[in-house]
Amino acid sequence: DTGVSQDPRHKITKRGQNVTFRCDPISEHNRLYWYRQTLGQGPEFLTYFQNEAQLEKSRLLSDRFSAERPKGSFSTLEIQRTEQGDSAMYLCASSSFTGPILNTGELFFGEGSRLTVL
Amino acid sequence: DAKTTQPPSMDCAEGRAANLPCNHSTISGNEYVYWYRQIHSQGPQYIIHGLKNNETNEMASLIITEDRKSSTLILPHATLRDTAVYYCIVRSDGGTTAGSSNTGKLIFGQGTTLQVKP
Repeated sequence: DTGVSQDPRHKITKRGQNVTFRCDPISEHNRLYWYRQTLGQGPEFLTYFQNEAQLEKSRLLSDRFSAERPKGSFSTLEIQRTEQGDSAMYLCASSSFTGPILNTGELFFGEGSRLTVL
Repeated sequence: DAKTTQPPSMDCAEGRAANLPCNHSTISGNEYVYWYRQIHSQGPQYIIHGLKNNETNEMASLIITEDRKSSTLILPHATLRDTAVYYCIVRSDGGTTAGSSNTGKLIFGQGTTLQVKP
C-alpha cells in the first residue's frame, strides 16, 4: 500500500492555459474525492466519485473544471483557461466502503498538487 | 452536517498534554465527531473519531461530553512534530452505512493551529 499519490506536486502556468492533475488512490478504494485549499483556509470539497461515477459536485466546481475517473481507479482533474484565482493546493483523497462494522469512514489524503497561475 | 467552532490557535509546551477543544452544539444523534490534522505542506491525516463514548488510540484521546455538544482532543505528550492545524469535523452516519446516500465527504473549517514549543 503506497498511499494516495498525486502528480505533479507543483505546477506553474500562465493565465489562460489548461492544466491537468492526476490522482492515484489507494488500490481498491472505491471512493475518491477532490478538494481545493487556499492559503490559511481549510480544504474545500470539490467533487466525489464512487467507482467511476461522479456522484456529487460542489458549486465551487465551475464549468472550467472537469474531473474524471474512467475506470474507477485513477482520477484526473482538469482546469481549462486558468485564472489567477485558481492558484491553490489541489488535494485528492480516497476511502473504501467495506461494510459498516469494519469501516471507519477514514479518508486518506495525498500530499496535493500546488498550482500557481501567473 | 453540524457546524463546529474551534479556537484559531493554541500553544503547548513540548512533553505536556495538548487539549484542543471543539464546540458542535447543533450535532444530531447520528453524527460522528472526527479529528484530522494537517502538517505544513502535507495532506490532512486522520487522528480519531467517536460517536458518544470516549475513544483512545495510539495517537490521541477523544473526550465527548455527555450532551455531545462539545469534545476535546488530547495529545498526551506533545512533541514538536505535533505542530499542525487540527480540524474537528462533524459528519453524519460516518459515511459507512450500506446504501446510504452519504458520500462520506468531510467539510473542513479553519481548524486550530497548534504550536508546540520546546
